[in-house]
Parts: sequence; structure tokens; C-alpha cells
Amino acid sequence: DGGITQSPKYLFRKEGQNVTLSCEQNLNHDAMYWYRQDPGQGLRLIYYSQIVNDFQKGDIAEGYSVSREKKESFPLTVTSAQKNPTAFYLCASSNGGSGNTIYFGEGSWLTVV
Amino acid sequence: AQKVTQAQTEISVVEKEDVTLDCVYETRDTTYYLFWYKQPPSGELVFLIRRNSFDEQNEISGRYSWNFQKSTSSFNFTITASQVVDSAVYFCALSGKMGGTSYGKLTFGQGTILTVHP
Repeated sequence: DGGITQSPKYLFRKEGQNVTLSCEQNLNHDAMYWYRQDPGQGLRLIYYSQIVNDFQKGDIAEGYSVSREKKESFPLTVTSAQKNPTAFYLCASSNGGSGNTIYFGEGSWLTVV
Repeated sequence: AQKVTQAQTEISVVEKEDVTLDCVYETRDTTYYLFWYKQPPSGELVFLIRRNSFDEQNEISGRYSWNFQKSTSSFNFTITASQVVDSAVYFCALSGKMGGTSYGKLTFGQGTILTVHP
């Protein structure tokens, strides 16, 4: 099936640990994104990548890192520097360009314990 | 800076009622794109519609309809004859420039929680 696959669905992290969330797409989309969702705050952009080997910070990039070594993959690392990492993380992709629709994965719940 | 406002935090209706979700946006771009997404309890965001700033025609898709009014910077969403399966969080979003001519960065509203009771 075509789509965006995020894993794991649920993840628990101890304070001080880095964790990596996986995002894979088989839609042949050029652009990929990571959004964070907190209750009552909608979604906010963490990082985005328009092409392989290139990525840009979004509105809340502090404490996060990404890589884009392959077109279909855009993993997000939540580092220990992220002060409040407990949230729902959504990966998305699009063809880029003017106003192409952005499609989302099913999300990953991260809880710091 | 871009901004999207969904003034209704929660709406509760009884099945078969019509319901309108409001969305007001702010942008300095002359070209932009507006979206509505549905987020059911499972969490994923489901794309519903995309509208560009040059197309003010209203759109109807089954029980869903959208009213885009550039003069009031609004892009409202109406569900006719609501059903229990429509219960979800609905997000309005505005697409802004990522650089050059690429419009991929979404600014989201806070979302409206819609509950449809049987």
C-alpha cells in the first residue's frame, strides 16, 4: 500500500535519553516534514526537507535533529536537550512545489517517564 | 507572519443537524493555499480539501461543503446532516512559502473538536 509509515506508534523515553522516530514514504514525494502536536495547540513544524541531503528548521527545531539521506526516509531524533518532549509527532510528505497537498502518517506518541 | 484562527474550540450537535466550522486566516502572501484536515481518535490527519487563493468558488463533496471568502479571509466548512462518524477534530491550515516558490509549510489553527451525538 502507498503511504507514510511512522514507527513506533508508542514510545517511552527516560529523561536524558535520545530517541529516534522513523518515517518512511513510498509516495515518491520530494518534500517531507515533521510536526509536533500538543493538546489545544494545533500542529507546529519542527523540520522540513525539500530534497535529499537538505533540510531546514521549522518553528520549533530546538532539541530536535533530522537527516535526509534517502528520498523515502526522514527520521527525527528527539534529543535530551528538548525540555518538554512528551507529545504526538506527525510525519508528512508532499510533492513540494506550489500548494501540493501534504499527506500525513499515523503519528507517534512519545512519553517521557 | 501567518496565522489561522478557529474560534470554536468544541462543538456538540445531534445527528442530522447541520454544523459549520469557522476558519479565519491572516497572510501577506498574494498566493496561498488553504486546507481542511480531519483527525479521528486514531490520530492520523486525513486530507479533506485544498483551495488556492485565486479560486473562490465554493465546493461541495457529498455532505461536505466549503465557503471561501477572500474579502473576509475566511474558509468555513459545513457538514450537512451530520453523522456520528463525523466526530473528530477538524483543522484548518494555511500553506506558506518554504522558500522560492515552494508552498509546503503549513500553519494550523487550534482545531475544533466536533462531537455528534446519536
